[in-house]
Amino acid sequence: NAGVTQTPKFQVLKTGQSMTLQCAQDMNHEYMSWYRQDPGMGLRLIHYSVGAGITDQGEVPNGYNVSRSTTEDFPLRLLSAAPSQTSVYFCASSYSRAGQDITQPQHFGDGTRLSIL
Amino acid sequence: ILNVEQSPQSLHVQEGDSTNFTCSFPSSNFYALHWYRWETAKSPEALFVMTLNGDEKKKGRISATLNTKEGYSYLYIKGSQPEDSATYLCAWGRAGRRALTFGSGTRLQVQP
Repeated sequence: NAGVTQTPKFQVLKTGQSMTLQCAQDMNHEYMSWYRQDPGMGLRLIHYSVGAGITDQGEVPNGYNVSRSTTEDFPLRLLSAAPSQTSVYFCASSYSRAGQDITQPQHFGDGTRLSIL
Repeated sequence: ILNVEQSPQSLHVQEGDSTNFTCSFPSSNFYALHWYRWETAKSPEALFVMTLNGDEKKKGRISATLNTKEGYSYLYIKGSQPEDSATYLCAWGRAGRRALTFGSGTRLQVQP
């Protein structure tokens, strides 16, 4: 049972480049989310999804796009990377029961460390 | 964005000490409160999810309480061990929004 798998683990980009951070889960979880972790700021929510075809913005969505075409996958796209997006990115998923997503514990991937020069 | 505050930011204790941390959150529209343990170079792992005022949860030497009316939760560690060294995160969920707001964490270091 792999849980939540994030790829790549590390990435260095130049300013203006685009890339997609991959996230896949094998637990049949409806709820998936992306966070960024910066020193002293904890985890900040970028985007989340409550099921295939449904996404919504979190606290810091600017510069990021998401889509959810399947239950398993929730990729995060950086359209034009900026140094301010240097961070560690975590994907998480949780069981969703009758919309009670936030009453269920979140399962986190191992993170992607992204540096933008 | 309504704030979730955790205190203290960091804590150094000796092996065998008992310790506690605080998570403060907005008391209005409360829906859920989560605690996570985050070891260095790993990903956060869920400890507890609490939804009712007065909830108490326990897992081994770690326990948590919840007061939704005044907007705080305590995490207690009894007889700290070096393996308890980690950052402890809380996250608050409010009614009507299917997303969590995390605090910045309390970093605990337990000296042998």
